[in-house]
Amino acid sequence: GGIITQTPKFLIGQEGQKLTLKCQQNFNHDTMYWYRQDSGKGLRLIYYSITENDLQKGDLSEGYDASREKKSSFSLTVTSAQKNEMAVFLCASIRTGGAEQYFGPGTRLTVL
Amino acid sequence: AQSVDQPDAHVTLSEGASLELRCSYSYSAAPYLFWYVQYPGQSLQFLLKYITGDTVVKGTKGFEAEFRKSNSSFNLKKSPAHWSDSAKYFCALEVSNMGYKLTFGTGTSLLVDP
Repeated sequence: GGIITQTPKFLIGQEGQKLTLKCQQNFNHDTMYWYRQDSGKGLRLIYYSITENDLQKGDLSEGYDASREKKSSFSLTVTSAQKNEMAVFLCASIRTGGAEQYFGPGTRLTVL
Repeated sequence: AQSVDQPDAHVTLSEGASLELRCSYSYSAAPYLFWYVQYPGQSLQFLLKYITGDTVVKGTKGFEAEFRKSNSSFNLKKSPAHWSDSAKYFCALEVSNMGYKLTFGTGTSLLVDP
């Protein structure tokens, strides 16, 4: 078994601030994802990474940067926080060859 | 482009009743379909998946889903429902040649009255 951890659990920032969310997994999975979950909506893909140092944009990448310096970790940066992007950010991973994605507990972002 | 539709934002039923949550998809190739569940305050958990083969797939927690190519649906079923099944359920479509990306529906919030 394994686990995905996300830090912090709650993130509060000011409008215009640069904020970073972190994700760690010990599954030894190659592919990792960042999703945004808005209230009443489904999950939307922000960035994903197929392997270390690889970055692929999802449907919602504008306003975000990502970093995959190690296989086990995947960071997401909100480049300039806006009130309309208050949401829960979920990290996920999957092993090579497919199967199901495993999700972390999430980071709830509040922008003041 | 692919899409997933879950037409029922909320479903309420009584404990012991049969539940069926609807999901339809649009995709030009053979679909890989998933159901995930999100309990209050928790993250998403995998329930079941359809890749190929038998059109009725069984998953965890007593759930099953039926893939119907004729009407592009993948409905989730369980009988009987239990109050602990109250959660939000997401249907998702995988595009396997693009990093196993998932396209999610907007979810159905299920409330099972005890």
